Amino acid sequence: DGGITQSPKYLFRKEGQNVTLSCEQNLNHDAMYWYRQDPGQGLRLIYYSQIVNDFQKGDIAEGYSVSREKKESFPLTVTSAQKNPTAFYLCASMRGSADTQYFGPGTRLTVL
Amino acid sequence: GQSLEQPSEVTAVEGAIVQINCTYQTSGFYGLSWYQQHDGGAPTFLSYNALDGLEETGRFSSFLSRSDSYGYLLLQELQMKDSASYFCAVRSSRDDKIIFGKGTRLHILP
Repeated sequence: DGGITQSPKYLFRKEGQNVTLSCEQNLNHDAMYWYRQDPGQGLRLIYYSQIVNDFQKGDIAEGYSVSREKKESFPLTVTSAQKNPTAFYLCASMRGSADTQYFGPGTRLTVL
Repeated sequence: GQSLEQPSEVTAVEGAIVQINCTYQTSGFYGLSWYQQHDGGAPTFLSYNALDGLEETGRFSSFLSRSDSYGYLLLQELQMKDSASYFCAVRSSRDDKIIFGKGTRLHILP
């Protein structure tokens, strides 16, 4: 089955720790995106990548980092510099010429 | 800057029709997309308008008017399972950044 996966589904971390969220897709999509969603809110763009080895900052990139070494993978690291990291994190992919995004199931990060 | 405005909540009755509006401010975009998100789940794609006019997909239709910077999602024959949040979104033609509205929570009454 083609799709996009995120792991883990739930993640707990202590303050001051970095944590990496996984995102993998086998849809052969060029573009991948990371969003943050807070309760009752919309999706805010953290980082996006339109091609391997290239990525751009979204609207709320501070305290986050990404890499795009392979077309299939776009991991997100939440660093200790992110002041309020508790949120629902969604990864999405999109074919280069289309505007249809496919979302992974999300990772709920809680900072203790 | 770029922004999309949607009503925060809409309530309708099962079997009825409901329209969710989206107005936007953007310097240039490819088209207007709509997504559905159930509580605790991930958004799923519903509809896309690249051109002005109405696009119909089963019980769901979407409309775009670029001259009015306005679009809407129309849901017909409402079912209880349609209770969810609905988001409009655009992809900027300037930097390919994707911007989402804050979402409209649809409540359906039996």
